[in-house]
Amino acid sequence: GNSVTQMEGPVTLSEEAFLTINCTYTATGYPSLFWYVQYPGEGLQLLLKATKADDKGSNKGFEATYRKETTSFHLEKGSVQVSDSAVYFCALTLGYNFNKFYFGSGTKLNVKP
Amino acid sequence: DVKVTQSSRYLVKRTGEKVFLECVQDMDHENMFWYRQDPGLGLRLIYFSYDVKMKEKGDIPEGYSVSREKKERFSLILESASTNQTSMYLCASIPGQGTNQPQHFGDGTRLSIL
Repeated sequence: GNSVTQMEGPVTLSEEAFLTINCTYTATGYPSLFWYVQYPGEGLQLLLKATKADDKGSNKGFEATYRKETTSFHLEKGSVQVSDSAVYFCALTLGYNFNKFYFGSGTKLNVKP
Repeated sequence: DVKVTQSSRYLVKRTGEKVFLECVQDMDHENMFWYRQDPGLGLRLIYFSYDVKMKEKGDIPEGYSVSREKKERFSLILESASTNQTSMYLCASIPGQGTNQPQHFGDGTRLSIL
């Protein structure tokens, strides 16, 4: 089947620390991969995406590379800020089956000043 | 920009009431989704719709129904609200199949059933 596994949180970092949130997936075809961010009290916002192997998605200093050989899409940021505190979701879609998405369980990030 | 609007940010209802959650999107998207979000469980798909009057069950449809009378509007209905339906509800929309586009989300409705 199709599924996404994320590292469990919460992840607590000091400001300017390096961030990695692990995401691995299982898919029956060739998925597109996404990272979403959810700030407190809000809905999910698209952070970045990659649609094929070796693509790198990037936005707001965050990056993730689509690794087909390891079925992974890890989220990284070189220097986190307090404003990055949020819940991060990894997701995949196969582009058919009504564009259903499969979401990971989310990883909460706390950044301390 | 795509805008998905959920009618209420916060809602408090009583056990046994019939509850309507409304969602409207402004980008002519074919597909619309309702999720609930609970701590530790991530997002779980309740129902989705791929066209007017067309609907499919998601992973947790029990206790819910949906209505899509117009393309831009997708309603989630709690037929007889129960306390275990207290949750954050998220609506999303996306264009038709095969586009590699992201789902676009509303801001969510935090529903409390007393």
